[in-house]
Amino acid sequence: KNQVEQSPQSLIILEGKNCTLQCNYTVSPFSNLRWYKQDTGRGPVSLTIMTFSENTKSNGRYTATLDADTKQSSLHITASQLSDSASYICVVSAYGGYNKLIFGAGTRLAVHP
Amino acid sequence: GAVVSQHPSWVICKSGTSVKIECRSLDFQATTMFWYRQFPKQSLMLMATSNEGSKATYEQGVEKDKFLINHASLTLSTLTVTSAHPEDSSFYICSARWRLAGGTNTGELFFGEGSRLTVL
Repeated sequence: KNQVEQSPQSLIILEGKNCTLQCNYTVSPFSNLRWYKQDTGRGPVSLTIMTFSENTKSNGRYTATLDADTKQSSLHITASQLSDSASYICVVSAYGGYNKLIFGAGTRLAVHP
Repeated sequence: GAVVSQHPSWVICKSGTSVKIECRSLDFQATTMFWYRQFPKQSLMLMATSNEGSKATYEQGVEKDKFLINHASLTLSTLTVTSAHPEDSSFYICSARWRLAGGTNTGELFFGEGSRLTVL
């Protein structure tokens, strides 16, 4: 069964600290993996998208990694800011159809001053 | 970057009425649009996949007669919640995919800002 599991479910960190969010998946055949940031009451915004051959991609203070062998991805946030408080969603695409997008449950990050 | 616009952003209606939500891709043609609902503190749940010019494909457990989806053009899809009831109150989000040449699904996925429906 295609699944995407994210951990931790929620996380609280102090402003300026770094953190890493995890995403494990069992999606096959794998097409790509995306990380989205969703502010409360807003639509998700894309942070990174990685295909099988990519193992690191950065977007400002966000760095995503992908290990296609172990089927794991991480999102590292450097020097966190209050505005980083949001839900971070991992989405994995499988080949084979329009609806082959599997969503993780998300990690709710709270950055405190 | 590409923008997906949803309208209305919030709506309050009486039980039994129907509500239409629009999803537009503003600067690209979206061959595929997706509709999701999201309950508080939960992730997005795919409701249906909408392809331009054809019938939507609904996920298991989603009533097609309850949630009518129309994708009449490459830039517009609509979701109509018919005979809405309080349990239909939720955050509805659409996304649009810019499909790459060759038919692969690695085209970027853009989300709308969401529409919050409250049924009294």
